Parts: sequence; C-alpha cells; structure tokens
Amino acid sequence: EVQLVESGGGLVQPGGSLRLSCAASGFTFRSYSMNWVRQAPGKGLEWVSYISSSSSTIYYADSVKGRFTISRDNAKNSLYLQMNSLRAEDTAVYYCPRGELQDYWGQGTLVTVSS
Amino acid sequence: QSVLTQPPSASGTPGQRVTISCSGSSSNIGSNYVYWYQQFPGTAPKLLIYRNNQRPSGVPDRFSGSKSGTSASLAISGLRSEDEADYYCAAWDDSLSGVLFGGGTKLTVL
Repeated sequence: EVQLVESGGGLVQPGGSLRLSCAASGFTFRSYSMNWVRQAPGKGLEWVSYISSSSSTIYYADSVKGRFTISRDNAKNSLYLQMNSLRAEDTAVYYCPRGELQDYWGQGTLVTVSS
Repeated sequence: QSVLTQPPSASGTPGQRVTISCSGSSSNIGSNYVYWYQQFPGTAPKLLIYRNNQRPSGVPDRFSGSKSGTSASLAISGLRSEDEADYYCAAWDDSLSGVLFGGGTKLTVL
C-alpha cells in the first residue's frame, strides 16, 4: 500500500525556518518524481515545488523561489522541503503528492507562520 | 488568482449530469495534460482523472474528463449525494515551468 506521511509542521515566527519531511513507503520511491503542494486555510490548492526521481530537475513556484529548497534522499525514501524566510502567507497545510499524476497524497502537515 | 479558471460553484440534483469547466491557455491546457482532483473537507485531495480523460482504478465511470483546445471539462453523471465535494483541475504550464491548479469548484448536491 502506497503511503506518504508528511511531518515537520508547526508554529513559526515570520522570518523563521522550518524543514518538512515526507516519508514514502509501499512503492519504489527512487523511480518517481515528487511534489510539494500547499493549501492555505479555506483556500484552494497551490503547487509549490517539483523534484525529479534523480534530483536532476527541480522547479519552484514563483511565490517560494529563493526561499524554499526541495530535496530528496532515495536511500531513505524521503522527500524534504527546507523553508526559510517564512511569511504569514506561507501558512498552509503542506502535502507531498507522488509523481506527474500526483496520484497519492499524504494527510498533510500544517505550517503556521505567526508572531 | 489562478490562471486556470473554474466556476466557484456548481450544483445538481441526484441522478442529474453536471459538468465543471476549466479554462486555460496555450501554455498550459493547450499543450499539456489535464488532471482532476476531488477533495472532501478536512481530507487530502484524490486523483479523479489523469491525462485528460483517464480514470484511475476504483474511480466510478460516472466521472469522465474531456479536453478541447485550451479548455477542459469534468462531467459527473448519475449525481449522488456523496459526490458533494470540491473539485480542482490542474495542468503543467510551459511558461511558468510549474503546475497550475484551478481555483476549485464546490459541488453541491441539492
């Protein structure tokens, strides 16, 4: 069974940093690209970042470019999102859907940026 | 503001057929696949349609997708109360080098 478990969310002050993790199981993680997608409270879905299976290709949404860094460790079946210079508008539930199809999603982890 | 435009709401009665539109441009829908996701309150999105009109296993054939030019549609036939949810379209955008989501459509079953 495919499972994606996001963690690392919490309350952080504006300007602070946070590192999210996504633990994958039930499939060959190294064969799939991965994404981060977020959803602000009461709002729609917003794609954040993409990383290819080998980490050779990475893309970011303009809203996070220069502040967020996506990475993965295929040996640990894990995906990461390093978030720096956090702003109030980064407050959201963060998901790590699998692949081009984004066919599997975890339960998400809530990031709250507030003083 | 989403570059993929969806109506904010849609409604229908049980048994009816409902369509949800998704309008884009040549750099996204016009040149890439369209995906549709279903989301219930407090839960993660679920893939409903991939590559314009393909259904993952387990998705009822009441759900269908289509694409024409720079627009796409999700059709739900034989509407049921359990179809009441938010629906999002998505597509890769070549100009932005990223995925775009529509603003979402809240479907109400009357």
